[in-house]
Amino acid sequence: AQKVTQAQTEISVVEKEDVTLDCVYETRDTTYYLFWYKQPPSGELVFLIRRNSFDEQNEISGRYSWNFQKSTSSFNFTITASQVVDSAVYFCALSGNYGQNFVFGPGTRLSVLP
Amino acid sequence: SAVISQKPSRDICQRGTSLTIQCQVDSQVTMMFWYRQQPGQSLTLIATANQGSEATYESGFVIDKFPISRPNLTFSTLTVSNMSPEDSSIYLCSVGTPYYEQYFGPGTRLTVT
Repeated sequence: AQKVTQAQTEISVVEKEDVTLDCVYETRDTTYYLFWYKQPPSGELVFLIRRNSFDEQNEISGRYSWNFQKSTSSFNFTITASQVVDSAVYFCALSGNYGQNFVFGPGTRLSVLP
Repeated sequence: SAVISQKPSRDICQRGTSLTIQCQVDSQVTMMFWYRQQPGQSLTLIATANQGSEATYESGFVIDKFPISRPNLTFSTLTVSNMSPEDSSIYLCSVGTPYYEQYFGPGTRLTVT
């Protein structure tokens, strides 16, 4: 069975600090997909990134970066120079080949204080 | 990405009644899904809504409790039947892309009293 673990339940940082959200996954599939979603206080789920299991290149998008390491089954998310608007619950998710068995991690609540 | 709307956005219902939630997409999509998010929790997949056939339910969810319709490629409904306070949750529909991403509707916040 597929599983996603986000060990950090809640994180608080002060604005402009860097913060890394951890994600560890378990799967028996050789092809799989990893995702990050943001859920701000308004409640909507915002898609942030998809990563294929065969592409271990790290990705940067503005202040966001993602570090995918198959050797440790991790897909960590770093926010650089955090802002108050980054305050949200962040979910890591995993799906198998063809997108089936989509499973979410428990989420990490990030609070960025001014 | 597709624009996804849900109706109602929220509702308060009496125990023992049923509520049907609608999900409308502005373009044709093959894959549609329904999720439940209990208060303060993560998302749990209820079922995959298959166009033209019965929905595929995840373990712990049954058709009698959560009947789903998918009459065409832009619309689906989820009914929460014979509700109890434990059904109080946010219900979200999502659409899948050819790249296996899922995009979510705004959710329906259900409170059962």
